[in-house]
Amino acid sequence: NAGVTQTPKFQVLKTGQSMTLQCAQDMNHEYMSWYRQDPGMGLRLIHYSVGAGITDQGEVPNGYNVSRSTTEDFPLRLLSAAPSQTSVYFCASRGQLNTEAFFGQGTRLTVV
Amino acid sequence: AQSVAQPEDQVNVAEGNPLTVKCTYSVSGNPYLFWYVQYPNRGLQFLLKYITGDNLVKGSYGFEAEFNKSQTSFHLKKPSALVSDSALYFCAVRDTPQNAGNMLTFGGGTRLMVKP
Repeated sequence: NAGVTQTPKFQVLKTGQSMTLQCAQDMNHEYMSWYRQDPGMGLRLIHYSVGAGITDQGEVPNGYNVSRSTTEDFPLRLLSAAPSQTSVYFCASRGQLNTEAFFGQGTRLTVV
Repeated sequence: AQSVAQPEDQVNVAEGNPLTVKCTYSVSGNPYLFWYVQYPNRGLQFLLKYITGDNLVKGSYGFEAEFNKSQTSFHLKKPSALVSDSALYFCAVRDTPQNAGNMLTFGGGTRLMVKP
């Protein structure tokens, strides 16, 4: 029972590099989302998806892209990494509207 | 717009004593409220939720929370704290969804320290 799986767990990037954070869920959940966690700021929504082929922006979308070609996968792309994107990134999924979200273990990203 | 406030960055309590972690919220409709816990270098684990019905909800590990609509609060409580309860706690809210894209909004988190 894998739940929500994120890879990699840790990553160091140089400013200007691009990369993709992977997220996969095996619960057939419709809704998936990406959050970033910064000290004292809780988790802030970056992008989300309500189903395959449908994505939308959250609170802090600049510098990130997403796509949802399948129900299971929801990758987050950093187009040109900046030090301000140093953070811990969490992927989450949920099923019906009144249920709780399930979170991955997180990816700790450092941009130098 | 929806928002959540956790007024305390840290709560200190002695083992065996009751604990309360505070949360207040703001939504335009009826709230769906959640508490999550995060242990060091781990993801968020679901503790409990309020959707509708009884204002006192019980969750995992002996935690409970009381929904108070007039005070727009959803405080997390436990009658007797354990050292192992030490962690970072997040309150989150979602407005009664008028559209499918309504996602969670989180508070800033409260670090709970339980001392032996």
